[in-house]
This record gives sequence, C-alpha cells and structure tokens, in this order.
Amino acid sequence: DAKTTQPPSMDCAEGRAANLPCNHSTISGNEYVYWYRQIHSQGPQYIIHGLKNNETNEMASLIITEDRKSSTLILPHATLRDTAVYYCIVRAYNAGNNRKLIWGLGTSLAVNP
Amino acid sequence: DGGITQSPKYLFRKEGQNVTLSCEQNLNHDAMYWYRQDPGQGLRLIYYSQIVNDFQKGDIAEGYSVSREKKESFPLTVTSAQKNPTAFYLCASSPPGHRDYGYTFGSGTRLTVV
Repeated sequence: DAKTTQPPSMDCAEGRAANLPCNHSTISGNEYVYWYRQIHSQGPQYIIHGLKNNETNEMASLIITEDRKSSTLILPHATLRDTAVYYCIVRAYNAGNNRKLIWGLGTSLAVNP
Repeated sequence: DGGITQSPKYLFRKEGQNVTLSCEQNLNHDAMYWYRQDPGQGLRLIYYSQIVNDFQKGDIAEGYSVSREKKESFPLTVTSAQKNPTAFYLCASSPPGHRDYGYTFGSGTRLTVV
C-alpha cells in the first residue's frame, strides 16, 4: 500500500469549510483512498473513500486529483465536534494482505469557535 | 444497533501478569483486527483474522496472542513477554473485501502496567 503525507495540524473556524490535504504520490491504480477520523481516546471512525471520482456523503466530500497523486477531504461546515485527528490511508480493494495497511500520524484538526 | 464492543475501557495490570482484552462484534463481519496506539503515533497492527479458527501476525505480534473460536469474538491476550504493554488497544472488523465502509472500530481499551 502507498504511504501518505499529511500536514501535522490545521485550524479552522467554526462554520467554515475545512479542507484537509493528503499526498499519495506512489498510489497504484487499484488503490482506494480512505479517510478516517479519531476523536480523542475513541476508536477511529470511517468518513469516506474513493478511487478516481469525487465522492460525497453526509459527512464530507472527497476530491481526488486527476493523476490520483493527492486528495482533499472537505468538511463543508465544520463544527466544534469535528475537532479530531484525520487519517488518510490508501489501500487496495479486496487486498488479502492486511499487514500492509499503514496508518500515519494524520492531521490534527482544531475547529475554533 | 450493530457495532463492536471492547471491554474493559480501562485496565490496570501488574508487571508479569497476563491480561485478556475482549472484542465482540455483531456486524457479521468476517475479518477482525487488533491495533495498538501509542501517544503521538499511528495505529500498528498486532494480529488479524479473516475467518474463524485462523489468524495471522501483524507487524508487532511479539508478546501478544489471540484466538478466533467464534465469528463474533476476537480476544487479545497481552502476555508477560510484552515488554512495554502500556498503550491504547483498538479492535476493528470489516466485511469481505471491505465493501463500502472500510473498518469499524471499537471504542478501545486503555491498558496501564502498574
């Protein structure tokens, strides 16, 4: 699985959009981009995933560049409860070898009132 | 509601003791995983199981043991051989091929050696 690079921390004003970038320049053609978030002392929570096309669900939008070397997670109207560490992970769908799922340090997002 | 239950939430262990962390899921997921998280670090895979009665070592399996006798349960034993067991332990599960939602995580067990 490809490794990812994320900024260690970001700030966002409450009510504004939070745009969290992720670089995955070594991504392979069959690797999906997954985003999770972890609120302090809780288990990570799935947010969204995608392969090539942009995706949107009730939590967020995922924008993947055409060359797939980077992506951006967008929280359209950040609230204080969105304060968390956000992890970007790339992995192959139906991959049999789960040992290669690599969790980085993520981006610590602070939403400020 | 379906989900993963980890217990206990907090666990204290004396040096030299084995302890077992519980993980139960009612999501009918085939695969289950144990991760360890240390302060300021990402998750590291300890063990995983893709079907009942089968499990594989992850990246940091030394000092840990697991069993998978039932689809719903994947307990983790932290043995006395684990030299630095104080950490936050997370259990996760996923359906075959990870479908649309990737992993579902439990709320974690914080283990402290005293």
